[in-house]
Amino acid sequence: EPEVTQTPSHQVTQMGQEVILRCVPISNHLYFYWYRQILGQKVEFLVSFYNNEISEKSEIFDDQFSVERPDGSNFTLKIRSTKLEDSAMYFCAIEGTESSGNTIYFGEGSWLTVV
Amino acid sequence: SQQGEEDPQALSIQEGENATMNCSYKTSINNLQWYRQNSGRGLVHLILIRSNEREKHSGRLRVTLDTSKKSSSLLITASRAADTASYFCAPPQAGNMLTFGGGTRLMVKP
Repeated sequence: EPEVTQTPSHQVTQMGQEVILRCVPISNHLYFYWYRQILGQKVEFLVSFYNNEISEKSEIFDDQFSVERPDGSNFTLKIRSTKLEDSAMYFCAIEGTESSGNTIYFGEGSWLTVV
Repeated sequence: SQQGEEDPQALSIQEGENATMNCSYKTSINNLQWYRQNSGRGLVHLILIRSNEREKHSGRLRVTLDTSKKSSSLLITASRAADTASYFCAPPQAGNMLTFGGGTRLMVKP
């Protein structure tokens, strides 16, 4: 199973501050995803990223959010000006190889607390 | 929108018993994935079943898929206390975007 490492594991930030969450897949993949889970709620899709471009995004993924793959390995989610309601667990996910049949593997998540 | 809906919402069993969780979805799919989540942790991939498969096994897990009824089930045999977690089915939408329901919270008592 591919390994997906997320940093930081937990971050506390002041409202209005910028936050960058990072994801490092252990091997080269083409499809990347960000999901979030507000405490006690469902896991929600944010954005998918393929071939260095956004391919799908949800209505949650507004102008406050951006994604990029700055150096060909790290995959980042940036929240420009955090709000209290951005407090959630953010999961990075990657799509496995063709042989695994589109299996999606998730990282352990980054807890974001906005105060 | 497409999302998996798990049933029951909560299930409590004794160690050694089998646990069955069901999932229903709305539109045609190419595959369906099941995940486990321990409280406050990440989503662990359990199994992927393709639309042309009816049943798939992985260790103590058995997943079935009935595309005519748009339903799937996950059976955990000989359950252990460590199986205590929430279980989710995730049918994909466009672009393999997964959608999650509320899950089944399984409690296995030692």
